[in-house]
Amino acid sequence: GQNIDQPTEMTATEGAIVQINCTYQTSGFNGLFWYQQHAGEAPTFLSYNVLDGLEEKGRFSSFLSRSKGYSYLLLKELQMKDSASYLCAVRDDYKLSFGAGTTVTVRA
Amino acid sequence: DAGVTQSPTHLIKTRGQQVTLRCSPKSGHDTVSWYQQALGQGPQFIFQYYEEEERQRGNFPDRFSGHQFPNYSSELNVNALLLGDSALYLCASSTRHYEQYFGPGTRLTVT
Repeated sequence: GQNIDQPTEMTATEGAIVQINCTYQTSGFNGLFWYQQHAGEAPTFLSYNVLDGLEEKGRFSSFLSRSKGYSYLLLKELQMKDSASYLCAVRDDYKLSFGAGTTVTVRA
Repeated sequence: DAGVTQSPTHLIKTRGQQVTLRCSPKSGHDTVSWYQQALGQGPQFIFQYYEEEERQRGNFPDRFSGHQFPNYSSELNVNALLLGDSALYLCASSTRHYEQYFGPGTRLTVT
């Protein structure tokens, strides 16, 4: 089966840094994805890790440790528009298995 | 370049009825996946279509069925609707093992 855990909610101040952790136990692994989802909208792709280490993409970075079943998404220089749900997803073969999502609220 | 499109945007149905949702993939994509997202939850995988065949299926009953057409567009059919089927239905397209791009979704309400 698939078990993907991430915190339910996080709050941070504009300009700050927030780290969203994701732990997973899955029957297969073919990559870990992070998606951003604003309320009432579709998820949009943020990052993809298949090998251990850090991937940096502008203000967003994602880290993966396959041996620990662990990933995090780092959001730097937070902006109000970053208030959204962040979804961790693991791919095995073809399908994506998602966590429940972490709602990040950015305060002024 | 048009992204993934879905229709309709919203739909209200009564228990026991049947519904068909439609998806057109992003240009150049040949694989379509369907997900169900309940409020406050992450998307749950329903099934994936590739080359007009169901390639993988999640833990959903046979009331959920689908189809992929030669132009790669896809339909999701749900029979004998239950109140619990109320959710956002998301279609995602991709090419083989690359990232999946999601459409705006269809909000289904079953009363």
